[in-house]
Amino acid sequence: KQEVTQIPAALSVPEGENLVLNCSFTDSAIYNLQWFRQDPGKGLTSLLLIQSSQREQTSGRLNASLDKSSGRSTLYIAASQPGDSATYLCAAYTSGTYKYIFGTGTRLKVLA
Amino acid sequence: EAGVAQSPRYKIIEKRQSVAFWCNPISGHATLYWYQQILGQGPKLLIQFQNNGVVDDSQLPKDRFSAERLKGVDSTLKIQPAKLEDSAVYLCASSPGASGGPETQYFGPGTRLLVL
Repeated sequence: KQEVTQIPAALSVPEGENLVLNCSFTDSAIYNLQWFRQDPGKGLTSLLLIQSSQREQTSGRLNASLDKSSGRSTLYIAASQPGDSATYLCAAYTSGTYKYIFGTGTRLKVLA
Repeated sequence: EAGVAQSPRYKIIEKRQSVAFWCNPISGHATLYWYQQILGQGPKLLIQFQNNGVVDDSQLPKDRFSAERLKGVDSTLKIQPAKLEDSAVYLCASSPGASGGPETQYFGPGTRLLVL
C-alpha cells in the first residue's frame, strides 16, 4: 500500500532564503509525482509534474526532483517570497492503485 | 477558460442531517473526481467518474455517501445521514483525458463542511 510522507509538516523562513521540501513514498512503482500548492480556503494548484522516466522538472523559481529508487522527491524553491506562503502537497500516481495518493503537506510561511 | 466550480462554499449542519454538494468541471473534461480532505491531511479520493460512469469508488462510504454525474458533465455528492467525522473540505477536480490516467488534475475551491 502506497504511503506518502512529507517532512517537515511546517516551515517558517525569512524572505530570500532557498528552501527544500521533502516528499517520501513507499512504493517505487509510480507513473508520476506531482507537487501542488494549496492556499487557505482554496483548492489545489498543480505546480510541477515529474514523469517516472524524468529526474527533474523546473518552472521559474521551482525545481522538483524525483529519485524512484530511494522513494524520494524534493521541491526546491529559490529566493523565497512572502507570496510563496501556502501548503505544499505532493502526490504519487501509483501503478497498483491507479490514483493519486497525497502526502499530508508542508505548511510554508515566508516572512517579509 | 473557466475553472472547476463548486457550491456551496461552506455548509454547517447537525449530525444525522443530509447535505449535497455540486460540481461543474472544466468544459470538455471527461474525468471528474471527488476528494475528501480532513484538516491536517492530504486529499483522499472518494470517487472517480469517466464521462458518466464510475471508475473507482473503493473509498466511498456507500452506506451514507452517494454521487452521480449528470450526462457526463455536472456532479453531485450527497451525504445522508452525516456524522461528526464527515467534517472536512470536499474537493472536486477534473482532467481532460477519457482514460482517467496519471494526468494533471484541476481542482475547484472546495466545499467546507462542518457537522455539529
